[in-house]
Amino acid sequence: DIQMTQSPSTLSASVGDRVTITCRASQDIRTSLAWFQQKPGKPPKLLIYKASILESGVPSRFSGSGSGTEFTVSISSLQPDDFATYYCQQYSTYPLTFGGGTKVEIK
Amino acid sequence: QITLKESGPTLVKPTETLTLTCTFSGFSLSTSGVAVGWLRQSPGKALEWLSLIFWNGEEHYSPSLTSRLTIIKDTSKNQVVLTMTNMDPVDTATYYCARRFDYGGGWKFDFWGQGTLVTVSS
Repeated sequence: DIQMTQSPSTLSASVGDRVTITCRASQDIRTSLAWFQQKPGKPPKLLIYKASILESGVPSRFSGSGSGTEFTVSISSLQPDDFATYYCQQYSTYPLTFGGGTKVEIK
Repeated sequence: QITLKESGPTLVKPTETLTLTCTFSGFSLSTSGVAVGWLRQSPGKALEWLSLIFWNGEEHYSPSLTSRLTIIKDTSKNQVVLTMTNMDPVDTATYYCARRFDYGGGWKFDFWGQGTLVTVSS
């Protein structure tokens, strides 16, 4: 199985900050990576797919980059609605696997 | 408008079989490239993929659960059913279904149901 490791597990930030979350794959997954945002009691929401393509309707302050084994998602200016948990997911190979999540909390 | 909704029991006993139904609208599971997947999330934990079924009947399962899972589709009813045998308290989780959509060169889980919490307890 491909292991997905996210860092940090928790991130404290203020509104307006630029934040970056990292996801590392245990083997090359090319650009077969998605990022999701999840709020308590809600299903995950797709933000980015193919490592860097913004899903329709997602604010442009979100961006994704990377290929191979290292990926990042950044929020250029953190907004109150962005405080949530973020997950990466690889879809290069079965079984599909997710990172452990990064909780973005208010500093 | 694309929607998915999970339904099934909220409480099952250990060793029982869980049957969950995903009822969807706004797309067809007879369209080439489309699939519906099941995923779960234990309380306070990360997401875990369970199974996927494609428009052509192709199935995929998590290797750690393959012996306990069966996925079937009813295209006429726009439903996908997941059964999980021999339930255990560690299977307590929110179960989600999601649509897998091909974008050409890859795919994405773009629409999700709201999830259904299943508790395993005697």
